[in-house]
Amino acid sequence: AQSVSQHNHHVILSEAASLELGCNYSYGGTVNLFWYVQYPGQHLQLLLKYFSGDPLVKGIKGFEAEFIKSKFSFNLRKPSVQWSDTAEYFCAVSGNSGNTPLVFGKGTRLSVIA
Amino acid sequence: SQTIHQWPATLVQPVGSPLSLECTVEGTSNPNLYWYRQAAGRGLQLLFYSVGIGQISSEVPQNLSASRPQDRQFILSSKKLLLSDSGFYLCAWKGIRASGANVLTFGAGSRLTVL
Repeated sequence: AQSVSQHNHHVILSEAASLELGCNYSYGGTVNLFWYVQYPGQHLQLLLKYFSGDPLVKGIKGFEAEFIKSKFSFNLRKPSVQWSDTAEYFCAVSGNSGNTPLVFGKGTRLSVIA
Repeated sequence: SQTIHQWPATLVQPVGSPLSLECTVEGTSNPNLYWYRQAAGRGLQLLFYSVGIGQISSEVPQNLSASRPQDRQFILSSKKLLLSDSGFYLCAWKGIRASGANVLTFGAGSRLTVL
């Protein structure tokens, strides 16, 4: 069965600091990988996704993530965070088939302080 | 464009009472539909998913059930609520985008408090 592990429960950073949120997955086939973000009081929304090709994917708001197949990882990065990045971030994995559901990690809460 | 609606947005129910949360999707046909529960510190837990009318897969044995009476309608139910059913319930749909990736789109959620 597929599973996702997010290493950090709560991360606190100052503005302009660099961010890296860890995500490791377990799945025995071709994967699709996702990062979702939930800003306070808002819907969950897609930040970025990987399904094939270049393992370094770029998403909205300056975020990027790198798929390292040998490490089963899909870490999220941003070189310089802003106060508006305060949110909860969820990593998710699914199989390549359209009918396989997404399995999410437990989420990482990011707090950016001035 | 596709939209997803969930209601009610908030609900306070006594223990032992029934539950019905409804989710509908517009602007797409034959979507895959999902119910997740979000609890603090536990992330998003997949409860049920459906790939078609009357087809329900249950991921976690529990006090809840799901039904899909129509193509774009997904209902989460319980006959008798437990305190542990409190949480934030999210409906989502998945369709095949032009990019070839399967992307989940979430509704606004329903917050259930069982007292």
